[in-house]
Amino acid sequence: KNQVEQSPQSLIILEGKNCTLQCNYTVSPFSNLRWYKQDTGRGPVSLTIMTFSENTKSNGRYTATLDADTKQSSLHITASQLSDSASYICVVSGQNSGNTPLVFGKGTRLSVIA
Amino acid sequence: DTAVSQTPKYLVTQMGNDKSIKCEQNLGHDTMYWYKQDSKKFLKIMFSYNNKELIINETVPNRFSPKSPDKAHLNLHINSLELGDSAVYFCASSRFRARNEKLFFGSGTQLSVL
Repeated sequence: KNQVEQSPQSLIILEGKNCTLQCNYTVSPFSNLRWYKQDTGRGPVSLTIMTFSENTKSNGRYTATLDADTKQSSLHITASQLSDSASYICVVSGQNSGNTPLVFGKGTRLSVIA
Repeated sequence: DTAVSQTPKYLVTQMGNDKSIKCEQNLGHDTMYWYKQDSKKFLKIMFSYNNKELIINETVPNRFSPKSPDKAHLNLHINSLELGDSAVYFCASSRFRARNEKLFFGSGTQLSVL
């Protein structure tokens, strides 16, 4: 069964600190993986996409990694800011998933405090 | 200049009523979606339309009926509302139906059934 598991469920960190969010998936064969950021009361916004051949990709203070062998991805946030407080959702796309290609994780709720 | 807009933002109604949520995108995208986010913040796809044609219809009660008058609009009508329908409903769009396409989400409609 295609699944996406994210950890931790929630995380509280001090402003300025770094953190890493994890995403493990069982979707196979794998096509790509996206990280979305969802602010409270808003819809998710795409941060980055990782394809099979990519190991790491940065978007400002966000760095995503992908290990397609172990089926793991991480999202590293550097020098966190209060505005990073949000839910981060990992979404994996399979190659042979018919008309329902996307498998969503349940998200990690990040709270950055002063 | 909102890319994907949905109305209303909040909807409070009694059990048994019929209600509609409207969605419009001005991005020129071909594909639109309805997602349901439950109290645990888990996003689940409900429907997807590509150029006004229904392509995804997940296990959703037939009380839910999407309608796409044109490819820029995808409305959701819900008959005989039940308590379990309370959730946040997100409309989204993507350029194409392809697996790696970025989803652009609306801000959500918080539905509360009393």
